[in-house]
Amino acid sequence: DIQMTQSPSSLSASVGDRVTITCRASQNIGAYLNWFQLNPGKAPKALIYAASTLQSGVPSRFSGSGSGTDFTLTISSLQPEDFATYYCLQTYSTPRTFGGGTKVEIK
Amino acid sequence: QVQLVQSGAEVKEPGASVKVSCKTSGYTFSTYSLSWVRQAPGQGLEWMGWINPSDGHIKSAQRLQGRVTMTTDTSTSTVYMELRSLRSDDTAVYFCARDYGGNVDYWGQGTLVTVSS
Repeated sequence: DIQMTQSPSSLSASVGDRVTITCRASQNIGAYLNWFQLNPGKAPKALIYAASTLQSGVPSRFSGSGSGTDFTLTISSLQPEDFATYYCLQTYSTPRTFGGGTKVEIK
Repeated sequence: QVQLVQSGAEVKEPGASVKVSCKTSGYTFSTYSLSWVRQAPGQGLEWMGWINPSDGHIKSAQRLQGRVTMTTDTSTSTVYMELRSLRSDDTAVYFCARDYGGNVDYWGQGTLVTVSS
């Protein structure tokens, strides 16, 4: 199985900050990488697929980059509604595997 | 618009089975696979498996093999996930999600399954 290592596991930031979350795959997954935002009691919200393609309706302050084994999710200017937990997911093969999550908290 | 609507919360005793439904609409049902994902309290997301509605092919996570079954009803564009021999650590919110070509885009609202005696 492909292991996904996500870091950091949590971070504290202020509104307006630039935030970067990374995900590393245990083997080459090309660009088969999705990012999701999860809020308590809600369904995951798809943010990015194919490593860097924004899902429809997702604000442009979110961006993704990377290929192969190293990937990054960047929020260019953190907004109040962005305080949540973020997960990466590799869709290169089954079983699909998620990163451990990054909780973005208010500083 | 694409919608995935799941069945309501369930409370089950250890050893019982639970069947969660995911009714889809707004797209061609047979074109997209459906993955099942769960989140236990305080834990991360765990992929459970997927089903291809066009041919019924299933792939499930190894740790759940033998306990999980996924089926489809093409007449109602609904996917079902049944988990058997429930244990307390199966307590979780269960999600269905559309999964095609590496893009997991639309999700159901989640179904809380509580396993307790």
